[in-house]
Amino acid sequence: AQSVAQPEDQVNVAEGNPLTVKCTYSVSGNPYLFWYVQYPNRGLQFLLKYITGDNLVKGSYGFEAEFNKSQTSFHLKKPSALVSDSALYFCAVRENSGYSTLTFGKGTMLLVSP
Amino acid sequence: SAVISQKPSRDICQRGTSLTIQCQVDSQVTMMFWYRQQPGQSLTLIATANQGSEATYESGFVIDKFPISRPNLTFSTLTVSNMSPEDSSIYLCSVEPSWGGYNEQFFGPGTRLTVL
Repeated sequence: AQSVAQPEDQVNVAEGNPLTVKCTYSVSGNPYLFWYVQYPNRGLQFLLKYITGDNLVKGSYGFEAEFNKSQTSFHLKKPSALVSDSALYFCAVRENSGYSTLTFGKGTMLLVSP
Repeated sequence: SAVISQKPSRDICQRGTSLTIQCQVDSQVTMMFWYRQQPGQSLTLIATANQGSEATYESGFVIDKFPISRPNLTFSTLTVSNMSPEDSSIYLCSVEPSWGGYNEQFFGPGTRLTVL
C-alpha cells in the first residue's frame, strides 16, 4: 500500500523568508510524486511533479521540490515567500508501475505573514 | 490542462435526501475521478469513472450510496444517496487527460455539501 505523510499541520513563515513544506512517502516500487495547492473555496491546483531524472523539480509560482530517494522525501520549497502563497498544500504519490490511484497526504496549511 | 466546472457549488440538504453533483470538462478525457474531502482532512478517492464502463469504487464506498454516471467523455455525475450528517464534505471531481500514472490530475472547484 502507498502512503504520504505531511508531518506539519501548519507552517508559519514571514514574507520574504524561504519556506519548506515537508512530505515523506511510502510505495512498493518507484514513485511519481506531486504537489498541489488549494486556495479557500477553490479546487486543487497542480504545482509540480517528479517523474524521473533531476532530483530538483521546478514548478509554478516559483515553487520547487527536492526528491530524496534515500530519505523517501519530496519537500516543497520556495526561496522567498509571498503573503499570497498562504494556502493548503497537498503532497501526493502513486507507484510508477502499471496504473495506481493517487494517494494524498493530509495537507499542510502555509501561513505567510506580512 | 483542462477546465472543469461543478454544479452545484454548494448545497444544504436534509437527512435522508439525495443530491446529484455534476462535473463538466471542456475537453474529452478518458479518466474521471470523484474525491471526498471531509472537514480538516485529506482527499479520499471515492471512485474512478471511465466512459463506457462501470465505475470502480474504492474500499469503503459502494455504488448504492454513491452511484456514478459517465455518459460521455466530457461529463459525469455523482449522487450522494440517503444522506446523513456524516456525508457533509467537499466533493471534488478530477480528470486525467492522458493515460499514464505520471500525468497530473486536474480538479474542479468542488461542491460543498452540508447535511442537516
